[in-house]
Amino acid sequence: NAGVTQTPKFQVLKTGQSMTLQCAQDMNHEYMSWYRQDPGMGLRLIHYSVGAGITDQGEVPNGYNVSRSTTEDFPLRLLSAAPSQTSVYFCASSQGRRRGTQYFGPGTRLLVL
Amino acid sequence: TQLLEQSPQFLSIQEGENLTVYCNSSSVFSSLQWYRQEPGEGPVLLVTVVTGGEVKKLKRLTFQFGDARKDSSLHITAAQPGDTGLYLCAGDNAGNMLTFGGGTRLMVKP
Repeated sequence: NAGVTQTPKFQVLKTGQSMTLQCAQDMNHEYMSWYRQDPGMGLRLIHYSVGAGITDQGEVPNGYNVSRSTTEDFPLRLLSAAPSQTSVYFCASSQGRRRGTQYFGPGTRLLVL
Repeated sequence: TQLLEQSPQFLSIQEGENLTVYCNSSSVFSSLQWYRQEPGEGPVLLVTVVTGGEVKKLKRLTFQFGDARKDSSLHITAAQPGDTGLYLCAGDNAGNMLTFGGGTRLMVKP
């Protein structure tokens, strides 16, 4: 099993550009989530999904969209990038969210100029 | 919004020393998780504590959940350079989200 994979590893965008961060897991996990990590602020939840076709907002959803058409994939879209979205983005999955182990991907480092 | 405060934010110690990292909140959590994150990688789960007052040991690491399930601590005995990393606590509020603390960055010097 590859676990949770994320692409790309690094990305530089100009303000106003759009892009999609890819996330895939091969563990048949129901729950998937996206976090951003900024210095001194730990991980903040952007969006999450409890299963295919179901998504919901987390703590900091503004400026981001998600969809969950399959169990395996959970892409994160930035429609119009802003410098405030410069961060490291992590995707995570778990079989069951409560008391379950969250498996994190290796992250995507995004710089918005 | 539930907040988790971790302290200290930074800790630099010599190999062989003991240390304790704290994770505090004014909110009650149904369980609390501790993660370790190394540079350039995602966090990796170390332990989940569920019951108030629970103590779990993982080799030289001891985790405790407060009686009121509002706080937790991580104690490392005889720290080694391999313990270097960012330690994160995360609270489960029995909803659909985990709340993460700001992290404690630990450096253990040989």
